[in-house]
Amino acid sequence: DIQLTQSPSFLSASVGDRVTITCRASQGISSYLAWYQQKPGKAPKFLIYAASTLQSGVPSRFSGSGSGTEFTLTISSLQPEDFATYYCQQLNSYPFTFGQGTRLEIK
Amino acid sequence: EVQLLESGGGLVQPGGSLRLSCAASGFTFTNYAMTWVRQAPGKGLEWVSVISVSGDFTYYTDSVKGRFTISRDNSKNTLYLQMNSLRAEDTAVYYCAKGVGSYGSGNYHDYWGQGILVTVSS
Repeated sequence: DIQLTQSPSFLSASVGDRVTITCRASQGISSYLAWYQQKPGKAPKFLIYAASTLQSGVPSRFSGSGSGTEFTLTISSLQPEDFATYYCQQLNSYPFTFGQGTRLEIK
Repeated sequence: EVQLLESGGGLVQPGGSLRLSCAASGFTFTNYAMTWVRQAPGKGLEWVSVISVSGDFTYYTDSVKGRFTISRDNSKNTLYLQMNSLRAEDTAVYYCAKGVGSYGSGNYHDYWGQGILVTVSS
C-alpha cells in the first residue's frame, strides 16, 4: 500500500497568514492526489483534485501543487473559517490511502 | 442537489454483524463508483472499500478483507456495507462517498454523506 506522510501534523497560525502543508508519498503517484478539509463533527469537504485543480466553489486562496511523491497545499491568506484539519489522499492505486492529517489551529 | 444518507449504524457486540446503507439522490447513481471511508474516534480518515458502477469490481483495505462486503442496488440507488465478525477496532464513523467516475485511478470522492457511527463493544 502507498503511504502518505503529512507535515506538519499540527500548525498554529493567525488570520491573514500564508500556510503550507506538505504531503509525501512512499512511491510515485503521478498527480493522483486530493486534499480535503474537515471540521469537527462534519464530513470531509473536497477541496483539490489532480494535485492542483480546485473543486468548484473552493476559494482561490487555496492552491495545490506537486507531482510524483511530493505535494503541497497552500492557503494564501488564512480566514477564520479555514481553521480545520486537512487530509491528503492518493488515488493512484487501491487502497486509496489518506495522510494522517494536519490540524490547523488559531494562534 | 447530491445527497448521500447513511443508516444502519449503532452498538454491536464484538463478533456481531451490521449492515450499513447509503441512500443516494440528486445524481445518476449508475454512472459512478461508490466508496466507504471510516474515521475512528479522534483519529484520521481510513479508506475502506470501493465498488464499481456495475458491482463487478470491488476492493477492500486489508483490515476488513474477508469480513466486510460492499454491494449496491442500482434499482434502489443504494450502497451497502455488510460488516461481519466486528471488532472493537472497527468502531468508527462510516462515510459513504461518491466517485467522479466508474472505477480506478483518479476516482476522486466529490460528495460525502454525513456519516453514521458504529460502536463495537460488549
